Amino acid sequence: QVQLQQWGAGLLKPSETLSRTCAVYGGSFSDYYWSWIRQPPGKGLEWIGEINHSGSTNYNPSLKSRVTISVDTSKNQFSLKLTSVTAADTAVYYCARTLFGSSGHHFDDWGRGTLVTVSS
Amino acid sequence: SYELTQPPSVSVSPGQTARITCSGDALPKQYAYWYQQKPGQAPVVVIYKDIERPSGIPERFSGSSSGTTVTLTISGVQAEDEADYYCQSADSSGTYVVFGGGTKLTVL
Repeated sequence: QVQLQQWGAGLLKPSETLSRTCAVYGGSFSDYYWSWIRQPPGKGLEWIGEINHSGSTNYNPSLKSRVTISVDTSKNQFSLKLTSVTAADTAVYYCARTLFGSSGHHFDDWGRGTLVTVSS
Repeated sequence: SYELTQPPSVSVSPGQTARITCSGDALPKQYAYWYQQKPGQAPVVVIYKDIERPSGIPERFSGSSSGTTVTLTISGVQAEDEADYYCQSADSSGTYVVFGGGTKLTVL
């Protein structure tokens, strides 16, 4: 069973850059895509984007201009950067293992979410 | 942008059948997935590829697909099934993931 553990700052000011890293323990890192997903308090899920071990990325078009996802295969980690944050970026952020290919496109293992708050 | 539409809420009594629908133009082309999310927890997939049930998910959970609508059916609803349910799919290219707005299932 894969385990995903994330870290990063939990409180940001408007205009700062949100940075989070997710480490993957167990399972194969190179056989999957790896995604970031967020959920504003009391609201629904929003896919941010994904990356594979080769660095191939896909981003939500609505966030693409502010998002960068990167990968460090030597550590089985992937990271999220979201620039110019506002209060609208306050959310629980999840990292998730992603199946993308003949199995469709979905998330079969999720890490524990972490609340990131943007406030002045 | 592509959207999936779910009813905001569904209510059923214990033992009854709950049906949650999800509509989207690309659903005939792209698989749909259903996630259950309980308060304070990460989502868990209960149906994948429209109709498949992961191991460990009770048999009372089933999925179906017809045209631009997919349906999650929970037969013999139990109190523990009270949760938010999200459908998820991809746009017509298969590249960009989209979630439905979520349905709160209340067990009366």
